[in-house]
Amino acid sequence: DAKTTQPPSMDCAEGRAANLPCNHSTISGNEYVYWYRQIHSQGPQYIIHGLKNNETNEMASLIITEDRKSSTLILPHATLRDTAVYYCILRSGGSNYKLTFGKGTLLTVNP
Amino acid sequence: DTAVSQTPKYLVTQMGNDKSIKCEQNLGHDTMYWYKQDSKKFLKIMFSYNNKELIINETVPNRFSPKSPDKAHLNLHINSLELGDSAVYFCASSQGRSNEQFFGPGTRLTVL
Repeated sequence: DAKTTQPPSMDCAEGRAANLPCNHSTISGNEYVYWYRQIHSQGPQYIIHGLKNNETNEMASLIITEDRKSSTLILPHATLRDTAVYYCILRSGGSNYKLTFGKGTLLTVNP
Repeated sequence: DTAVSQTPKYLVTQMGNDKSIKCEQNLGHDTMYWYKQDSKKFLKIMFSYNNKELIINETVPNRFSPKSPDKAHLNLHINSLELGDSAVYFCASSQGRSNEQFFGPGTRLTVL
């Protein structure tokens, strides 16, 4: 069962930053926050992950609150091709390495 | 070059038939997975193999049998297909059990 809560849908204007929130109030100390996305009819795609510190890569930034109970995925300049379902997933750093997908957030980027 | 490929992309078959879906990855990864995405879009893991050894076997009917002939391949064989097996099946791979997973394009199975 997914242990994260995400809004079911969000809209964003093309070229603007998209900020996708995720609540994970029961996160444990060894759990990482992972983000994947699924563009319509395609396989999920890894975006980014983090444990405590904020992370940035060529696709996005991940901001994790100090208490680790929530995080935000930031797409700095959203394009139409970023329209997808975004999944926030907790994954243990130990032996329980399964990805458990929830319902995710459908992000629609509008022209 | 396709990193994780699946064949076929679409599969339409009758109830009671036996079918296989093939998955190949050319990333040199040692761990492969099968996921099922149902009509409500929930994506659930079914199996995982690490170095050809089964390491995850979720509550999946015995009619589903994965086979890993080598590290680059993980095939899914389904016996006595049922209407409820209709779904999109995704293969994925990763290097190690805890690293990011790369997904294939999916196989849409329709059981009539």
